[in-house]
Amino acid sequence: DAKTTQPNSMESNEEEPVHLPCNHSTISGTDYIHWYRQLPSQGPEYVIHGLTSNVNNRMASLAIAEDRKSSTLILHRATLRDAAVYYCIRCRGNQGGKLIFGQGTELSVKP
Amino acid sequence: DVKVTQSSRYLVKRTGEKVFLECVQDMDHENMFWYRQDPGLGLRLIYFSYDVKMKEKGDIPEGYSVSREKKERFSLILESASTNQTSMYLCASSLDGNCKETQYFGPGTRLLVL
Repeated sequence: DAKTTQPNSMESNEEEPVHLPCNHSTISGTDYIHWYRQLPSQGPEYVIHGLTSNVNNRMASLAIAEDRKSSTLILHRATLRDAAVYYCIRCRGNQGGKLIFGQGTELSVKP
Repeated sequence: DVKVTQSSRYLVKRTGEKVFLECVQDMDHENMFWYRQDPGLGLRLIYFSYDVKMKEKGDIPEGYSVSREKKERFSLILESASTNQTSMYLCASSLDGNCKETQYFGPGTRLLVL
């Protein structure tokens, strides 16, 4: 199963928006796009997910390209607590909800 | 709030020992998962279970087995621990196998095999 591709690291300033890109060019029609984040010494934590349409929740927004080959996680105002590794993940709907993790992007937030 | 707990945060075992890692969830979830996380390799699925006594192999099941005798509990077993099984082990649960549901992760068990 092909994994997603993300930048290894990104930097942001506090209170500014952050756009975390992800490529998933081999995604199949039944795969959902999930984003999780992992803080140091903790398990991953759900952020947002979508299939075709853009999605918003209290944590973030997810913009999915029309061809579904890429997506962008948007944190509207980064805080110091948002510093974490962000994973863009394919969820295989036809394989029991199996998550296929990529390498993730380590986001650092500067005060 | 969903809570997923793992029996130990840190564990040190010797090569050849049988190791049990326990995971318990309190939200009546159908699906449970075991992953391992290694630097440079990310999270990889070892086994998952979609019902009591049911199990499915993930991407790296070799050297591991699992047990799910009760809905809330999912155990990962290393029959004969080896040094290459030194890793962070993460358990997760979800309401069902639908990608519309999220997975809730435990805090992880860091296992060192000497």
